[in-house]
Amino acid sequence: DQQVKQNSPSLSVQEGRISILNCDYTNSMFDYFLWYKKYPAEGPTFLISISSIKDKNEDGRFTVFLNKSAKHLSLHIVPSQPGDSAVYFCAASSLIQGAQKLVFGQGTRLTINP
Amino acid sequence: KAGVTQTPRYLIKTRGQQVTLSCSPISGHRSVSWYQQTPGQGLQFLFEYFSETQRNKGNFPGRFSGRQFSNSRSEMNVSTLELGDSALYLCASSLLGSYNSPLHFGNGTRLTVT
Repeated sequence: DQQVKQNSPSLSVQEGRISILNCDYTNSMFDYFLWYKKYPAEGPTFLISISSIKDKNEDGRFTVFLNKSAKHLSLHIVPSQPGDSAVYFCAASSLIQGAQKLVFGQGTRLTINP
Repeated sequence: KAGVTQTPRYLIKTRGQQVTLSCSPISGHRSVSWYQQTPGQGLQFLFEYFSETQRNKGNFPGRFSGRQFSNSRSEMNVSTLELGDSALYLCASSLLGSYNSPLHFGNGTRLTVT
């Protein structure tokens, strides 16, 4: 039962253009959402997050949008840069007995072409 | 501030053996979580420890176990290894393991079972 899904295993975008990564979830109990970025041979690093009380959060070139009714979130990167080439994981969090439980999607490999 | 440290980086084991992986969290972080990453499956949650107590557990068989010591360092053990256990095992720490507290990941231990 994949509660968090990233349906695009890979995405290729030209440098300078916008990259849009998508994520869908099924559990309405999720109320906090995060994006992580992973380079080969390294652990994932936290990128940006959004609470369910918001529909948009922006941090520099990165913006996350949340559509609760559609149970969908997206990450926009603009403009895309070669260093953005990595695997991106979305994650959804719920509070269970005071502890955070984080569920990750399968990841989307983003390639930025010069 | 030192990041999350995982040892060893690489391991090769034979089916039926057991293995122990180690994780040292960021200083001051009391929550340690373990994840398994395999191609196409994303990051699968194994378990989370907080103050030496297991707070959350994923859907893995009992062959997977862990513990946390009083200094917050954590170990994960896998007994009776199977070929399907080959994966990247990631450890992550957070300050309190509480709601909306981003995880900080180590670079992982790559386990290969032959």
